[in-house]
Amino acid sequence: QSVLTQPPSVSGTPGQRVTISCSGSSSNIGRNTVNWYQQLPGTAPKLLIYSSNQRPSGVPDRFSGSKSGTSSSLAISGLQSEDEADYYCATWDDSLDGQVFGGGTKLTVL
Amino acid sequence: QVQLQESGPGLVKPSETLSLTCTVSGGSIRSTIYYWGWIRQPPGKGLEWIGSVYSSGSTYYNPSLKSRVTISVDTSKNHFSLKLSSVTAADTAVYYCARVNWGSQFYYYYMDVWGKGTTVTVSS
Repeated sequence: QSVLTQPPSVSGTPGQRVTISCSGSSSNIGRNTVNWYQQLPGTAPKLLIYSSNQRPSGVPDRFSGSKSGTSSSLAISGLQSEDEADYYCATWDDSLDGQVFGGGTKLTVL
Repeated sequence: QVQLQESGPGLVKPSETLSLTCTVSGGSIRSTIYYWGWIRQPPGKGLEWIGSVYSSGSTYYNPSLKSRVTISVDTSKNHFSLKLSSVTAADTAVYYCARVNWGSQFYYYYMDVWGKGTTVTVSS
C-alpha cells in the first residue's frame, strides 16, 4: 500500500489530453513539493516534473504539473505513442522522514 | 554531464548482505548541493525509496528498511554504497542510484540523474 495514491492505469488516443492524479496527506503533499517521473519500458525512471510544476530542460511543454492542497496532477496534452510508460509521483513525507512514491500509473496510448 | 553507474553482485544468497556501489563521474560527490540516493524496483512492481546520504555522511533511510540498511559515502573514490543485510527473496529487485536535489527541510527533494540500474536476485 503506497503512501501516495495513483490510479493504476489511464489511457488515451493520440492528440488527446490525459491527467494522472496523485493523492496524499498533510504530512507529504500538503507540506512539500511533488515530483513526477516517467519510466519507459525497460529503462530507468526519468525526472519529468519537479517542484510540483517545473520542467527540467528537454522535457516537452506538453507535460505539466500542478498541486492543490494534498493532491497533485500530471497533465499530458497532445498525447503521442512514445508517451506510453509508467508514471510515478513522489514527495517527502515529514512524518515518515523519508521520500514516498505513488504506486505508479500505466499510461496506454490507444 | 554527471553520470552514475551501479555495480555489485547480481546474485546474493538468502540471509546474506547485499552490497552495491554507485560511482559518480563527471562531477564531485563532495558537492554540498546534492544528496545521493538509492531506489529499488521489484519485478513488475513500483519504485521504493531506500535512503540517501550526504557528503558529510549524514543519512536518511526508509523506516521499513532502516534496521537492515546502511548507506555510506567515500569521497576519495567519488562513490557511495548500499548495504542491505539479512536479505530474502523479497529484496530481489532492480536497484538504482540517483543524484538528489534538496531544499531546506526537504521542502523539495527530487532525483534528477539516475543510474541505469542493476538487477539483484536473492536466491540460494
